[in-house]
This record gives sequence, structure tokens and C-alpha cells, in this order.
Amino acid sequence: DAKTTQPNSMESNEEEPVHLPCNHSTISGTDYIHWYRQLPSQGPEYVIHGLTSNVNNRMASLAIAEDRKSSTLILHRATLRDAAVYYCILRDHSNYQLIWGAGTKLIIKP
Amino acid sequence: DVKVTQSSRYLVKRTGEKVFLECVQDMDHENMFWYRQDPGLGLRLIYFSYDVKMKEKGDIPEGYSVSREKKERFSLILESASTNQTSMYLCASSLSQGSTDTQYFGPGTRLTVL
Repeated sequence: DAKTTQPNSMESNEEEPVHLPCNHSTISGTDYIHWYRQLPSQGPEYVIHGLTSNVNNRMASLAIAEDRKSSTLILHRATLRDAAVYYCILRDHSNYQLIWGAGTKLIIKP
Repeated sequence: DVKVTQSSRYLVKRTGEKVFLECVQDMDHENMFWYRQDPGLGLRLIYFSYDVKMKEKGDIPEGYSVSREKKERFSLILESASTNQTSMYLCASSLSQGSTDTQYFGPGTRLTVL
């Protein structure tokens, strides 16, 4: 399975945009890029996914590099409730499993 | 909204006890999963099930078994609990296998084995 690399932690100020990077240099053509987050004392929750084009939903935006070797999760206006561990995961059609890395711990400063 | 519920948020058991962790989902999902989460190790898959009475081993099945008698319910069983099974246990469900499939998680059960 292709792997992802994320920074261990990041800090951001409240109400500012946050860009969370993810490197996946061994991504294959059929791998989708998924993002989940885990709020304190909760189970992970889905955030967004994409294949090649940039994606937007009510929670976030996903910007995917043209060569697909990296991607960035964008929180447009971070709030204190966005403080969580964010996981970037690659997934192909043949795999039931999500392969979880360590994720990025996002700290939001008031 | 999909809801995945787990029978307990916190559980304390003694070494050697048989432990049952229950998970129920209400969205008619085909797939269900059991993970454990430990600091520094992330989420690791114990078992998953893609249909009633079907199960597949994940990455760390040793010391665990599972049961799926009904589509909505997936149970994790620790036959003889040991202290190294102290962990956070997370259940998840998903509709299908596809690349775009989303897993929905329960709140977790923090199990302490004394």
C-alpha cells in the first residue's frame, strides 16, 4: 500500500485559514486521497476525498497537485472546534482497509 | 445521518476475563470493522466483516475473535483479557468496498485490563 507523510503537528490562529500538507510520492493511478479527522475523545470522522481534481465540501477543500504526489487539506477559517488530529489516507478499489498513519495534530490558538 | 454506537465508553476488566464489545450501526452497511488505537501506533485493524457471518483478519487479530450474526451488529470478543489489550477500541462501518467509500466510526470504548 502506498504511504503518506504528514507533519506531526501544526499550529494556527483562530479564524485564519489552515493548510495541512500530505506527501504521497508512491501514489498509484487508482488511489483516492481521503482525509479524516479525530476530535479529542471521539472516533475519527470523514472530511473529504478526491482523485485528481480539487474538491470542496462544507467542511474543507482538498487541493491535489498536478502530479498527485502531494495534496493539501484547506480549512478556510479555523475555529477552536477544528482542533483535532488530521489523517491523510490513500485508498484503492481493491482494499477494504484504511491504512492509518500518525496524522497531524492541529492546534488552534484563540 | 449514519450512527454507529458502541456498548460502553469505558470498561474495566480483570486479567483472564472474557470481554464482549458490541457495535451497532443503523444504516444497513455491508462492512464493519474493529480497530484498536494506541498512542504512537495509530489505528490498527483487528478484524473486519463484509457480510453477515463473514469475517477477515486484519493486521493484529491475535487474542481477539469476532461475531456477526446480524447485519447491524458486530461484536469483538477478548477470550481471556490481558493487560496488553488495554486500549481504545473503535468500531466502524461502511456501505461498500469502493475507493470512494467512507467509514463511519463509533465513539470508542476505552478498555482497561487490570
